[in-house]
Amino acid sequence: KAGVTQTPRYLIKTRGQQVTLSCSPISGHRSVSWYQQTPGQGLQFLFEYFSETQRNKGNFPGRFSGRQFSNSRSEMNVSTLELGDSALYLCASQGGFSNNYGYTFGSGTRLTVV
Amino acid sequence: DAKTTQPTSMDCAEGRAANLPCNHSTISGNEYVYWYRQIHSQGPQYIIHGLKNNETNEMASLIITEDRKSSTLILPHATLRDTAVYYCIVIAAGGTSYGKLTFGQGTILTVHP
Repeated sequence: KAGVTQTPRYLIKTRGQQVTLSCSPISGHRSVSWYQQTPGQGLQFLFEYFSETQRNKGNFPGRFSGRQFSNSRSEMNVSTLELGDSALYLCASQGGFSNNYGYTFGSGTRLTVV
Repeated sequence: DAKTTQPTSMDCAEGRAANLPCNHSTISGNEYVYWYRQIHSQGPQYIIHGLKNNETNEMASLIITEDRKSSTLILPHATLRDTAVYYCIVIAAGGTSYGKLTFGQGTILTVHP
């Protein structure tokens, strides 16, 4: 069974640009959530999507957005990049009751803003 | 979701058991205790979870106190590859977390040769 796939693995962007990250969940998982991890703040929740609907949102500015497609794949977008957006971005998929509500994480996308 | 408290760091000798404690004194009856670990620059990896009873799998054992206010993750024979940050989190049954997991700072486990 394939795991959670995140692309790209590494990304370097310039301040002011925008970026789109992709996450393919485990087959059959309909919930995808996103996290930002920085050395200072640790793992912070961005948002969660289920069946193409955002169900939950963390405390991040509107520059951070996401969406989910009918095949459960999800993308997150960050516009007008700032240096502080440099982080490891992780997505996780959840399989519901059959998985005892546990979450499976991808390997992440390392974003560097210069 | 209930908050968890873990020691900042722990050391363990290779081949010995590593016992990582976690306090979750405000856990609710429908919340599971999950343990994940994260090796540098990778995503958190699931280790084990439990509700009330002690659990064991090929990676570790989980001991949950009778009042469910604390738990201990046991790595029976730690190896150098077990050096990682270990997170104890609680997840509500029924999917009501809606993706939002509260990660603390975790415990940095260092396994020494």
